[in-house]
Amino acid sequence: QVQLQQSGPGLVKPSQTLSVTCAISGDSVSSNSVTWNWIRQSPSRGLEWLGRTYYRSKWYRDYALSLESRITINPDTSKNQFSLQLSSVTPEDTAVYFCARLTGEVAAYYFDFWGQGTLVTVSS
Amino acid sequence: SSELTQDPAVSVALGQTVRITCQGDSLTTYSATWYQQKPGQAPVVVIFGKKSRPAGIPDRFSGSSLGNTASLTITGAQAEDEADYYCGSRVSSGNRPWVFGGGTKLTVL
Repeated sequence: QVQLQQSGPGLVKPSQTLSVTCAISGDSVSSNSVTWNWIRQSPSRGLEWLGRTYYRSKWYRDYALSLESRITINPDTSKNQFSLQLSSVTPEDTAVYFCARLTGEVAAYYFDFWGQGTLVTVSS
Repeated sequence: SSELTQDPAVSVALGQTVRITCQGDSLTTYSATWYQQKPGQAPVVVIFGKKSRPAGIPDRFSGSSLGNTASLTITGAQAEDEADYYCGSRVSSGNRPWVFGGGTKLTVL
C-alpha cells in the first residue's frame, strides 16, 4: 500500500518561501509509471493543481503557468521523497497543501494516493 | 475558476438514489474521476476511468458519462456518504493540465 507522509511548517510570513515535503512509502519517487504532484485547496480557489515531478529516463518538472516564476518541485531519491517550494508567498497562498500520486492510462489518469494535507497559513 | 462545473449542494434521503453531475468540455476527451472528501481528510477516489471503482469502494457508487457531462450515482445512500464530492479531469490547454470541479456537498437526510 502506498503511503504519502507530509511535513512542513504551518505558518509562513509574507514574502518568504513555503516548503513542504512528501515522504513516499510503498513506491519509488523514481518510478517510471506514475507522477508525483502537489495540489492545494482553499475556500476561494477550491482544489488547484500546482505542479509535478516524474522520472522517464531523466527528471521532468511541470508547473501551473500562473505559478511558474515562484514554484519549485524537487525529487530526493536518497530519501524517496519530493518537495514543494513556493517563494514570495502572500496571504492568497494560504491553503491546505496535498501531495498526490498520479496513475492511470491515456485519457484516464487519476490521483490515487494523497498525503494527509498540510495547512499552511501565510501571515505576519 | 473551475473548468468543470458542479452543483454546489445536493441532498438525498437515507436509502434513496442521488446523482451528482459534472460538466466540462474536457470530458468529451478525457475521463472524469470522482473524489469523496470528508472534513479534515484528503480526497479519496470513488470512481476513475469514467466508471471503474477502486478496491474497497462500495458498489453503490457508480459512474457514467455522456458528451460533456459525467455523473456519479449513489444507489441507496448511506449516512457515511455525506461528504463533498469533486470531479477531476485532464484538460488539453490552459494554465494547468489537471482541473477539478468546485465540489458538491452531499447531505444525507
